Amino acid sequence: GESVGLHLPTLSVQEGDNSIINCAYSNSASDYFIWYKQESGKGPQFIIDIRSNMDKRQGQRVTVLLNKTVKHLSLQIAATQPGDSAVYFCAEIPPFRDDKIIFGKGTRLHILP
Amino acid sequence: GAGVSQTPSNKVTEKGKYVELRCDPISGHTALYWYRQSLGQGPEFLIYFQGTGAADDSGLPNDRFFAVRPEGSVSTLKIQRTERGDSAVYLCASSLNGIPNTGELFFGEGSRLTVL
Repeated sequence: GESVGLHLPTLSVQEGDNSIINCAYSNSASDYFIWYKQESGKGPQFIIDIRSNMDKRQGQRVTVLLNKTVKHLSLQIAATQPGDSAVYFCAEIPPFRDDKIIFGKGTRLHILP
Repeated sequence: GAGVSQTPSNKVTEKGKYVELRCDPISGHTALYWYRQSLGQGPEFLIYFQGTGAADDSGLPNDRFFAVRPEGSVSTLKIQRTERGDSAVYLCASSLNGIPNTGELFFGEGSRLTVL
């Protein structure tokens, strides 16, 4: 079925360290995945996306890794900063349903000073 | 404005009342989406417009929910006979051409609906 889930609901990371947020998806036919960041009181904000023909994609301080074999997605944030505190959602676009994004439940990233 | 604008930002109503939530997307964006987000959950798809027409309304929970976008710009989400379970943040998003060209949706800050 259509579902996207997260391994950990809360992640605490020391400022300056790297953060890794994990996500499992269930539909092996999904071919497009996205990470969104949501700060308190705001709407989700696009971070980075990856299509299934890629294993890795890099942005500014962020890297998304896709392992299709085990249906696993991760977001790596380098040199975590206080402004990275937010809830992070992985999301997928189901096959044959290219008109909507299915969001997971989210992981809260907490930055320790 | 530069971003997606949603009004009201907060709405408190009584059970059984009618509510309208408004979304003003980014100018020129043809695709418009409504999502609902309950506390501690990810956004849940409600409806998608491409231009003036509702291309996919499969996420609307029941016939008390209805949305329109008569001129292909501003959209209104209408909820009749509100129930306590309708309490949530209603998010609107727009994108230039829609999925699957891009998964980058531009979200507003949401309208928080509380049904007493």
